[in-house]
Amino acid sequence: NAGVTQTPKFQVLKTGQSMTLQCAQDMNHNSMYWYRQDPGMGLRLIYYSASEGTTDKGEVPNGYNVSRLNKREFSLRLESAAPSQTSVYFCASSEVWDHTDTQYFGPGTRLTVL
Amino acid sequence: ILNVEQSPQSLHVQEGDSTNFTCSFPSSNFYALHWYRWETAKSPEALFVMTLNGDEKKKGRISATLNTKEGYSYLYIKGSQPEDSATYLCASPALRQGGKLIFGQGTELSVKP
Repeated sequence: NAGVTQTPKFQVLKTGQSMTLQCAQDMNHNSMYWYRQDPGMGLRLIYYSASEGTTDKGEVPNGYNVSRLNKREFSLRLESAAPSQTSVYFCASSEVWDHTDTQYFGPGTRLTVL
Repeated sequence: ILNVEQSPQSLHVQEGDSTNFTCSFPSSNFYALHWYRWETAKSPEALFVMTLNGDEKKKGRISATLNTKEGYSYLYIKGSQPEDSATYLCASPALRQGGKLIFGQGTELSVKP
């Protein structure tokens, strides 16, 4: 099992460009999440999908959109990248939508917006 | 808004030292407390999920305690090793139902040989 995979690992964008970060999990998990991590701050939730067919905003959703393509895949789209979106992005999944369920994280995508 | 605080922000210890750090959360709306370990260039990995006041969890040399009445959890590492160097994150669910976690800013531990 690969667990949670993310592509790409690194990306450099110019301001105003768009891109999609891909995430897939092979653990048959129902819930999936997108976080960003910035220096001096913990992981902040951007969007989540409690189950296939549903998505909802987290703490910091502005400037992002998501698609839960199927049970395995959850993508994050930046429509018009801004320097403030320079960050490390983590995708995670959990078996169920429950406050005690462990979340499993992917390796991260390091994004720089110039 | 739920506020999860961790202290200290960073810690430098010598190999063999035992160390501990703190995660604070509002005791008024406690649902669970998660601890994660995050090594540089790797994914955060779950250590513990704690739900009951007085709970104690252990994994090798790492253990954690929970006090929901006063709103804190301690993570202890006994006899620190260089491979323990990582950022330790705690997180608390924003709601009783669901996986929406609010993370603290982390404690960065560096263990020197």
